[in-house]
Amino acid sequence: EIVLTQSPGTLSLSPGERATLSCRASQSVSSSYLAWYQQKPGQAPRLLIFGASSRATGIPDRFSGSGSGTDFTLTISRLEPEDFAVYYCQQYGSSPLTFGGGTKVEIK
Amino acid sequence: EVQMVQSGAEVKKPGESLKISCKGSGYSFTNHWIGWVRQMPGKGLEWMGIVYPGDSDTRYSPSFQGQVTVSADKSISTAHLQWSSLKASDTAMYYCVRVAGDRYYFDYWGQGTLVTVSS
Repeated sequence: EIVLTQSPGTLSLSPGERATLSCRASQSVSSSYLAWYQQKPGQAPRLLIFGASSRATGIPDRFSGSGSGTDFTLTISRLEPEDFAVYYCQQYGSSPLTFGGGTKVEIK
Repeated sequence: EVQMVQSGAEVKKPGESLKISCKGSGYSFTNHWIGWVRQMPGKGLEWMGIVYPGDSDTRYSPSFQGQVTVSADKSISTAHLQWSSLKASDTAMYYCVRVAGDRYYFDYWGQGTLVTVSS
């Protein structure tokens, strides 16, 4: 089973700042089959990024994903008030499908 | 518009059985895997299993194999998650998800079904 470790656990930033979230895999994720989701309190998660770097439909271009192998990054170029949420990575390169533990982006 | 609409919240006692549902609409229901994801209170996301409505093929996470059953009824475009004997530790929010094509990430999510198991 591939274990995904997200860091930091919490990121305290101000609106307008850049956010960099890390997702590290215990073994290589094949074909960069890595997705990112955003979850706001009381809501279901929403797909942001798939294939490590492809934005899902309707996702603003301030969200970008990068990485390959075991190291992946989600970057939010300029935080908007609605971006403060918890972010999860998920690998789908091998079974079982696994999620990281999440990074909370909070208002500083 | 793709929608995944789940059944309402449930309160059950330990040992009882339960089946929750998820109706897909706005797309060809038989052509996409449907999955289930657990979120325990204050915790992260865990993949449980998936079902292919076209032929009812199923796959499970080892953590949930034998603990739950996933199924689908293509005649009513509805997927199900069921337990035969609930435990207090099954208390969680359960999300149904549509799997995107032939790559197992989740492009649409249901609103969630809260299951509370308490004596």
